[in-house]
Amino acid sequence: EAQVTQNPRYLITVTGKKLTVTCSQNMNHEYMSWYRQDPGLGLRQIYYSMNVEVTDKGDVPEGYKVSRKEKRNFPLILESPSPNQTSLYFCASSPLDRGNEKLFFGSGTQLSVL
Amino acid sequence: RKEVEQDPGPFNVPEGATVAFNCTYSNSASQSFFWYRQDCRKEPKLLMSVYSSGNEDGRFTAQLNRASQYISLLIRDSKLSDSATYLCVVNPDNYGQNFVFGPGTRLSVLP
Repeated sequence: EAQVTQNPRYLITVTGKKLTVTCSQNMNHEYMSWYRQDPGLGLRQIYYSMNVEVTDKGDVPEGYKVSRKEKRNFPLILESPSPNQTSLYFCASSPLDRGNEKLFFGSGTQLSVL
Repeated sequence: RKEVEQDPGPFNVPEGATVAFNCTYSNSASQSFFWYRQDCRKEPKLLMSVYSSGNEDGRFTAQLNRASQYISLLIRDSKLSDSATYLCVVNPDNYGQNFVFGPGTRLSVLP
């Protein structure tokens, strides 16, 4: 089944403790992206990647890192989480060919930083 | 001006009503447009893609007006299950460079 898999689904952590949220897709998509969603602010892009070893900042990259060493994986790293990073996070992927682009989303990760 | 703007909502409509949402975009070079549906705390799911003047799928019709830079979504014969937030998404580049999300319009269909 074609899907984007995010883990964990829920995560509670404390300020300053490094964490990684994993994202994997099995559709051979070039494009992958991370978003955070907060009440009243909609989906905001954190980082995106056009292909392996190609990553770019989105609208709210501060406090986050990503890597794209393999096409299927795009982990989101919080080196030193802070309470303002408490949010609902979504990973998404898409093919890039014109007329075929369509974002597939993971099920989301609810992160709470205490 | 934000890249993608939507009707703020919320829209509260009775079952069976017809409702329309508007979305405006600022980049005139935008090529691809999408409507996504998002249920509370769930991942967004694609409702419709719009590449030319419009698209229709059952009770849902999307129309694109390039001259005025807006996309509309029309829902006919609203069902209770249509209650959700509707996200307008624009791909501003010719080569699928990126996707820009609008803030969403919330719809509640009432019995």
